[in-house]
Amino acid sequence: AQTVTQSQPEMSVQEAETVTLSCTYDTSENNYYLFWYKQPPSRQMILVIRQEAYKQQNATENRFSVNFQKAAKSFSLKISDSQLGDTAMYFCARLYSGAGSYQLTFGKGTKLSVIP
Amino acid sequence: DAGITQSPRHKVTETGTPVTLRCHQTENHRYMYWYRQDPGHGLRLIHYSYGVKDTDKGEVSDGYSVSRSKTEDFLLTLESATSSQTSVYFCAISESRWGLAGVDTQYFGPGTRLTVL
Repeated sequence: AQTVTQSQPEMSVQEAETVTLSCTYDTSENNYYLFWYKQPPSRQMILVIRQEAYKQQNATENRFSVNFQKAAKSFSLKISDSQLGDTAMYFCARLYSGAGSYQLTFGKGTKLSVIP
Repeated sequence: DAGITQSPRHKVTETGTPVTLRCHQTENHRYMYWYRQDPGHGLRLIHYSYGVKDTDKGEVSDGYSVSRSKTEDFLLTLESATSSQTSVYFCAISESRWGLAGVDTQYFGPGTRLTVL
């Protein structure tokens, strides 16, 4: 099975501090895409950031950046200057193409609490 | 925000009854997906569609069927609901299933909370 593992079920961070959420995955493919989604208490799934595996440069979106280590199959999310609105569940996901099927596989999530 | 709506947003039903959830998009995207979200499992793909009347199974398709008669609508049906189908259901859309420049990025609807008693 193509799995995505988020080893931190819950994390907390002080407002304005930096926090890193971990994600590892398994794959036998060379080309794939990685995503982080945010799910606030409203339950809406919101795309945070996307990384293409063939790109060595780490993706960034404002206060959000990733540390993509392809050889280690690691894809961590760094949130800088944490804000109260960052409180949410965060899901790591991988899009792979296997046997003609293109499937987005999610990790089980990390619950992040930003403390005032 | 991507134009995706789901209806109903909440539903309570009884075991053995049929249930249909609707996903509607205004983006004219070719691909549509149904996921379920359960505690401890993240999101899991139920079925997806790659065009009108073109659908395929996902990871957890047993007990579910889908239909897509128009580009904008994707229906998920539970023929005979069971308590194990109590979950939050998400619809998602994408321009493509694979490609550059983010065309494969999936955008999600607001979700439907289904309770089967």
